[in-house]
Amino acid sequence: GAVVSQHPSRVICKSGTSVKIECRSLDFQATTMFWYRQFPKQSLMLMATSNEGSKATYEQGVEKDKFLINHASLTLSTLTVTSAHPEDSSFYICSVLDRDYEQYFGPGTRLTVT
Amino acid sequence: GQNIDQPTEMTATEGAIVQINCTYQTSGFNGLFWYQQHAGEAPTFLSYNVLDGLEEKGRFSSFLSRSKGYSYLLLKELQMKDSASYLCAVVGGDYKLSFGAGTTVTVRA
Repeated sequence: GAVVSQHPSRVICKSGTSVKIECRSLDFQATTMFWYRQFPKQSLMLMATSNEGSKATYEQGVEKDKFLINHASLTLSTLTVTSAHPEDSSFYICSVLDRDYEQYFGPGTRLTVT
Repeated sequence: GQNIDQPTEMTATEGAIVQINCTYQTSGFNGLFWYQQHAGEAPTFLSYNVLDGLEEKGRFSSFLSRSKGYSYLLLKELQMKDSASYLCAVVGGDYKLSFGAGTTVTVRA
């Protein structure tokens, strides 16, 4: 398996500001990471696939200019929510794809935009 | 597209058995996962099925029928700590996970 961390675990920001969330693969060099969003009492929705050394692949309906993803190394992917608004308040979870194509999830980041 | 259905809620008594069904229609199939998720936490892995049949792991078992697009998660000897949301997730042909909406299981004393 893979051990995944996220930072921060909780963040509160004001509307219009940007927030960066880090996802780290602690014991595995991850070529591929995924970013999910989960609204209360709903399931996880895939936002984008983060590929090391190349551009992220976004799911339909996800604005790439609003949710900036950088996967600069095999152990770190970052998601930046730009010009955040209250409707962006959600639980953001990353996952790492291991060599057996299994996904291991980070602990999640709770974003609240006021 | 992907379509994954599971019941919204189930309630059972401590010590009982509960079966959570999941039906799916997806583009390609590379396996089915069951995850447990407590409120405010990330999902944790329970089981993975890629071939037809039953996989047993302690109190939890998972079954898959690829021809029917059907899986179930069986929870035995329910404990209070099993109260959580259970997510069915299918790996599509592109190896991306598509999640069902989750089944909230409430265990009562």
